[in-house]
Amino acid sequence: AQKVTQAQTEISVVEKEDVTLDCVYETRDTTYYLFWYKQPPSGELVFLIRRNSFDEQNEISGRYSWNFQKSTSSFNFTITASQVVDSAVYFCALSESTGNQFYFGTGTSLTVIP
Amino acid sequence: DAGITQSPRHKVTETGTPVTLRCHQTENHRYMYWYRQDPGHGLRLIHYSYGVKDTDKGEVSDGYSVSRSKTEDFLLTLESATSSQTSVYFCAISLAGGNTIYFGEGSWLTVV
Repeated sequence: AQKVTQAQTEISVVEKEDVTLDCVYETRDTTYYLFWYKQPPSGELVFLIRRNSFDEQNEISGRYSWNFQKSTSSFNFTITASQVVDSAVYFCALSESTGNQFYFGTGTSLTVIP
Repeated sequence: DAGITQSPRHKVTETGTPVTLRCHQTENHRYMYWYRQDPGHGLRLIHYSYGVKDTDKGEVSDGYSVSRSKTEDFLLTLESATSSQTSVYFCAISLAGGNTIYFGEGSWLTVV
């Protein structure tokens, strides 16, 4: 079973629009960790954020914000006032306390049109 | 810079030949991973290591083997490369389970 689902395969927005990338996860652990990574066209994978299952506070970092809701098993990522440099593939990931593996979603490709 | 070096960065090889990809880290992290990235599949775990000589399989381990004789090096071997193994391979490291993993720059492998 897919542990991390990113239902949006591709999204296109016009510059300065807000955009939300969805991430739904599945786990039976009570302790787990959620992540977002960015992969720009250059190909490297860049860590953006890590949250643990006990911290449901929303996080804001500049134009980026994350909404973690255990009730819906979601960890969504919002970019406010998108810019062309935000164009990338974004991956959501889950790590469970009972294992050593990370589970990645299939990624959402975001294109910001100038 | 997470202190991870992958080599080679690009390689073209023929079907049936052995190929070894090397991952070297300078962070002394316990966990090391090999992922492959393919369109439509995202990142899939091939093998991982939780210590010297301690390795385990991931979801797509068939056709691959790994070795870790030193903390800093994690080798991925394709014993007999096939065209289905054409992919981008990423090494990653983590201090401990549940901690953030950091990726190398990737190795582009083409099997013709």
